[in-house]
Amino acid sequence: GAGVSQSPRYKVTKRGQDVALRCDPISGHVSLYWYRQALGQGPEFLTYFNYEAQQDKSGLPNDRFSAERPEGSISTLTIQRTEQRDSAMYRCASSLEVGGKKLFFGSGTQLSVL
Amino acid sequence: GIQVEQSPPDLILQEGANSTLRCNFSDSVNNLQWFHQNPWGQLINLFYIPSGTKQNGRLSATTVATERYSLLYISSSQTTDSGVYFCAVESRPSGGYQKVTFGTGTKLQVIP
Repeated sequence: GAGVSQSPRYKVTKRGQDVALRCDPISGHVSLYWYRQALGQGPEFLTYFNYEAQQDKSGLPNDRFSAERPEGSISTLTIQRTEQRDSAMYRCASSLEVGGKKLFFGSGTQLSVL
Repeated sequence: GIQVEQSPPDLILQEGANSTLRCNFSDSVNNLQWFHQNPWGQLINLFYIPSGTKQNGRLSATTVATERYSLLYISSSQTTDSGVYFCAVESRPSGGYQKVTFGTGTKLQVIP
């Protein structure tokens, strides 16, 4: 696609529910990053992929968070048993080359856990 | 992990004024990028600048990797420059994988 696409744009869920956030990177982009951004803060690294391989998941807060990119393109970030503290903007970025290089961000998914 | 500090944290400018934003980082980096987050929340890549100087219109950036800092210059500021400016560095923590870490941000408000 022309840009990084994330869906849904907004997600409101009840505490305890599972959510799946989708990221469709720019076509041909090899690396894909997930970030979380709280209001008034900078993006916080969660995890990233080169192709389908998850290279670093050190930023995932706990084992309720997981991510996959099975075919090296679309990625899904899943949060199980959501808690209110999970509320934030979740951002996806992609880059053409391995190792970050120039990152292009999607518009994000605003998650609200009630 | 690597620490990325930006200064000043907040800045108010009169339209037409110039400014310099600074990004300091605590360890060696492979590259550095500057982003603008506009009031609608979009993150726009301004510069990919591992070293040296680049210019794009009224904006320019300089990175001195050996001294672990980068500067973003905004000249003749406009109200559309308002928002938050982030620098982001790519480091190579133990394990050999690259990781992009964002700084604390500079919130800029340009008033007419």
